[in-house]
Amino acid sequence: SQQGEEDPQALSIQEGENATMNCSYKTSINNLQWYRQNSGRGLVHLILIRSNEREKHSGRLRVTLDTSKKSSSLLITASRAADTASYFCATYPGNAGNMLTFGGGTRLMVKP
Amino acid sequence: NAGVTQTPKFQVLKTGQSMTLQCAQDMNHEYMSWYRQDPGMGLRLIHYSVGAGITDQGEVPNGYNVSRSTTEDFPLRLLSAAPSQTSVYFCASSYTHRGQETQYFGPGTRLLVL
Repeated sequence: SQQGEEDPQALSIQEGENATMNCSYKTSINNLQWYRQNSGRGLVHLILIRSNEREKHSGRLRVTLDTSKKSSSLLITASRAADTASYFCATYPGNAGNMLTFGGGTRLMVKP
Repeated sequence: NAGVTQTPKFQVLKTGQSMTLQCAQDMNHEYMSWYRQDPGMGLRLIHYSVGAGITDQGEVPNGYNVSRSTTEDFPLRLLSAAPSQTSVYFCASSYTHRGQETQYFGPGTRLLVL
């Protein structure tokens, strides 16, 4: 079973609009990470937010984390056609031997 | 640095054949792992290694073997390929296994089992 579940599974927006993707998880975590995957390519790390952080920014990316609700959101502001990709959240439980667990991803399409 | 490299990029196998997917990293990373990604899904952990000589099973280890004789290399062996193993395979590495750092992913190997 997947620890992280993204919502929505697919999102289509116009260039310039904001895109918001959500991730829910089931167990306690040490940190949560967001990755991007262009079609047919490997994953690229975007941002890591630790369990004691509530919000983090990186360029046009804004990530929030609510540990009480076991959820996170990724906001991409002023989207561009080049942002078209799949976005995955991954959680790290923090126990020795436990590894990153990925969700199913959100497929984002940004129309020019 | 070349980062994480994987070979081959594409492979077609017949049911029952065996093969090895190669993964190498030149960043002196302690932790390496193998994932598979099926269409429209996230990544599932197959096997991982926290250092040379140490390996462990992930979420979906059946049908795969790994070894870690050196820090740089972490090959994934398919013992007897099955159509259910058709997938894209990604190798990843990071400096430690504590999950506090970025994982670096290879470009992937697309495997088709007929």
